[in-house]
Parts: sequence; structure tokens; C-alpha cells
Amino acid sequence: GAGVSQTPSNKVTEKGKYVELRCDPISGHTALYWYRQSLGQGPEFLIYFQGTGAADDSGLPNDRFFAVRPEGSVSTLKIQRTERGDSAVYLCASSLGGKTDTQYFGPGTRLTVL
Amino acid sequence: KNEVEQSPQNLTAQEGEFITINCSYSVGISALHWLQQHPGGGIVSLFMLSSGKKKHGRLIATINIQEKHSSLHITASHPRDSAVYICAVSGRDDKIIFGKGTRLHILP
Repeated sequence: GAGVSQTPSNKVTEKGKYVELRCDPISGHTALYWYRQSLGQGPEFLIYFQGTGAADDSGLPNDRFFAVRPEGSVSTLKIQRTERGDSAVYLCASSLGGKTDTQYFGPGTRLTVL
Repeated sequence: KNEVEQSPQNLTAQEGEFITINCSYSVGISALHWLQQHPGGGIVSLFMLSSGKKKHGRLIATINIQEKHSSLHITASHPRDSAVYICAVSGRDDKIIFGKGTRLHILP
């Protein structure tokens, strides 16, 4: 079956612009996670959805970042007024149940803010 | 001090060598994950464990809850094992914390 997919694979934008990054989890997975990975670093947790609700959004760096998962499947990570420091690979993962289940990662979206 | 520490940060070895990557953590956990990240960024989950030992092919993961330590071993290493190996823990407060990864390079 299909794995986790993310679109776009690459996004280049200008400072101050708004971007949306999409994640399609594995069908039937109730848990969805967003991470951010800067060059040379391990992934950094951003937000965790259980179903439609954000169970833990403590990793979102500030209020420019927002994520939704309105129907409990596809999720969109939204970044307002992008800054150069937002440049990173944004990774999405899903798991069948909660955080102790195996997570399956998508290929990531490489965001570059010029 | 990071809550999840991995060692070594970088490791170069010859094909066939036995590889050990270590992970120490300082928080209470419900599970520990080992992930593999290849050049280009794709991440694959290798193991999720909360006690004891797991084996999959040439990969073995162990965890000692009392010592807050886990190891990932690769037997008969091969150049295709070259990747970044990341340790992550699911804390008891449900937070997920990642180590910075160990970059492994296996020479033919």
C-alpha cells in the first residue's frame, strides 16, 4: 500500500510569504506528526495529531506556525510571514495509534526561504 | 545537556566490521525508537522498543531501562548501511525527543 506522502517535495519562497505544506498519511493511521529538520541536526518535534485534534502542539516555535487535520487524514502545515530561519526539511510521519507505535515517515518537504 | 545523546557523532568503518551506536537519555520514557535516514532525507523506522532486545536481519537493538541506555548494532556491515542513525525517545509526558544522529560511513 502507499506510504506517507508529502507535497510539494521542494518549496522556495520569499521572506514574508505564506506557505502550506501537505501530508497524506497512511490510510487508517490515526496519529500524525510534523517535524522539522535543519541541516546537520536531528528532527525536531512540531505537532502531533490524534484524529482531527492537535494532541500536542508544544513544538510549534511561534504563532506563525499552524497545522490542521480537519477530517482526520490529510494534514496541512501552514507558515505565515516566513523567515529565513524557517528554511528546513519538514517531515511528516503517521502511526496506527499513539506515540509508542512505529512511525512511518514521508519523504519530507524542503522549504527554502530566500 | 541534550536529553538524548548519541555517540559517536560520526563513524567510518570497513565493510564487514561490527558496528555499535550508542544512545543515552535522561528522561523517563515509554518507548525508544531507532531510525535510519539516507542521503536525500528519507527516514525509515528500524526499531521501537521498551525493554530487552530486538533483531531484524543484521540489525540488533538493545535497551537497558535502568541505565537509560540503548545500543544499535550492525553485524557484517555493508556500504549500503551508510546512513544517519537517529535515536528518539517517547517520553512519559508523550513528547518525542530526538538525538542528533550518528553519521555512519561503511567503506568497501
